[in-house]
Amino acid sequence: QVQLQESGPGLVKPSETLSLTCTVSGVSISSYYWSWIRQPPGKGLEWIGCIYYSGSTDYNPSLKSRVTVSVDTSQNHFSLKLTSVTAADTALYYCARGSPRGGDDTFDIWGQGTMVTVSS
Amino acid sequence: AIQLTQSPSSLSASVGDRVTITCRAGQGIRSGLAWYQQKPGKAPKLVIYHASSLESGVPSRFSGSGSGTDFTLTISSLQPEDFATYYCQQFNSYPLTFGGGTKVEIK
Repeated sequence: QVQLQESGPGLVKPSETLSLTCTVSGVSISSYYWSWIRQPPGKGLEWIGCIYYSGSTDYNPSLKSRVTVSVDTSQNHFSLKLTSVTAADTALYYCARGSPRGGDDTFDIWGQGTMVTVSS
Repeated sequence: AIQLTQSPSSLSASVGDRVTITCRAGQGIRSGLAWYQQKPGKAPKLVIYHASSLESGVPSRFSGSGSGTDFTLTISSLQPEDFATYYCQQFNSYPLTFGGGTKVEIK
């Protein structure tokens, strides 16, 4: 079955760059839209951005100046980079697949999430 | 960005109760709304898309309705496994946004 797995450092220093990878298994990455979504501890969900296998991206304007999402079709994974992080970027980061039924911008399969803490 | 306001933010209900959660959009989003269920320590799970379409594998006691600015998620007979937090999400326009969540607790 389709599975997504986030990976990356769990601790990032303020002002540095957060880098995460989402490895996709069970399906080719070249068939769907893929998104990053985050959830601060005890809070709600925030969409960060999405990418299509062609490399086309869309970002949340609230983060756009600091975010880059990229895709590596040969590795069947996509990645998130968030620069100049602060404590406000501490969150559980999820990767998710755009649903083939609900449209590219609803999410039918999610990774388990990876907690990233910004602290010195 | 389109703001989504969910109400109530939390509710207490008993097994077998009918539960309704509301999501109001700050501007019209046609039928571009989805609902998710999230249990503690787990990723969200898609329940409803296009406002009223039931995701595959989701029990038929879940239903969604609405269009434009006002939407509802209804659980016709609450089951123990339904106690969770529910989020609405709009996908009519970027940036995609989520409601603040409704926590359904056991009475």
